Amino acid sequence: TVMTQSPATLSVSPGDRATLSCRASQRVGSSVAWYQQKPGQAPRLLIYGASTRATGIPARFSGSGSGTEFTLTISSLQPEDLAVYYCQQYNIWPRTFGQGTKVEIK
Amino acid sequence: EVQLLESGGGLAQPGGSLRLSCAASEFSFNAYALGWVRQAPGKGLELVSSISGDGAETLYADSVKGRFSIFRDNSKNTLYLRMDSLRVEDTAVYYCARGGPYYLDSWGQGTLVTVSA
Repeated sequence: TVMTQSPATLSVSPGDRATLSCRASQRVGSSVAWYQQKPGQAPRLLIYGASTRATGIPARFSGSGSGTEFTLTISSLQPEDLAVYYCQQYNIWPRTFGQGTKVEIK
Repeated sequence: EVQLLESGGGLAQPGGSLRLSCAASEFSFNAYALGWVRQAPGKGLELVSSISGDGAETLYADSVKGRFSIFRDNSKNTLYLRMDSLRVEDTAVYYCARGGPYYLDSWGQGTLVTVSA
């Protein structure tokens, strides 16, 4: 199952909304997770089940979607949100990740 | 706080072998599936293998099937990845992660494997 993320790079001003998209090549239900990877660090789980925030994740991160179309929204971008964001489907083996969206601070 | 600490990475020649380890703490080890995720330099993420909590079920990506083996020792709270017939394209940071074949809720800091002549 190919996961396609768009855009590849997103430049957003602090305080603005960032919207990241992920499309699955076949239906995966709600079995989608989102991860944040800051430079030089391991990935961190943000969202699972397409819309459930992981423990300790700020409320400005939200996820939506089902089937083949998914969205991660950062409602008010903070400077510390500079990172690459990956979606992952865990409905079908092999589990697959998108290629990532790099979020830059404008 | 969940702790996952990988070790065993390093330089290997093409065709060679390495064994990675992941020492876990601060959670009920045998209750969780675990997995190995790799990231080639400057590239994205690939879940290469996962194993159930009791070790009875294993899954492999096609890219490593027949060459890599995942196993765990629940008495030592340790996960392993045996890597044989290594290829240049196996060069990556290898992360141990909790959650196995599902979403991955905790990650180690990673260990670098370099395959080069």
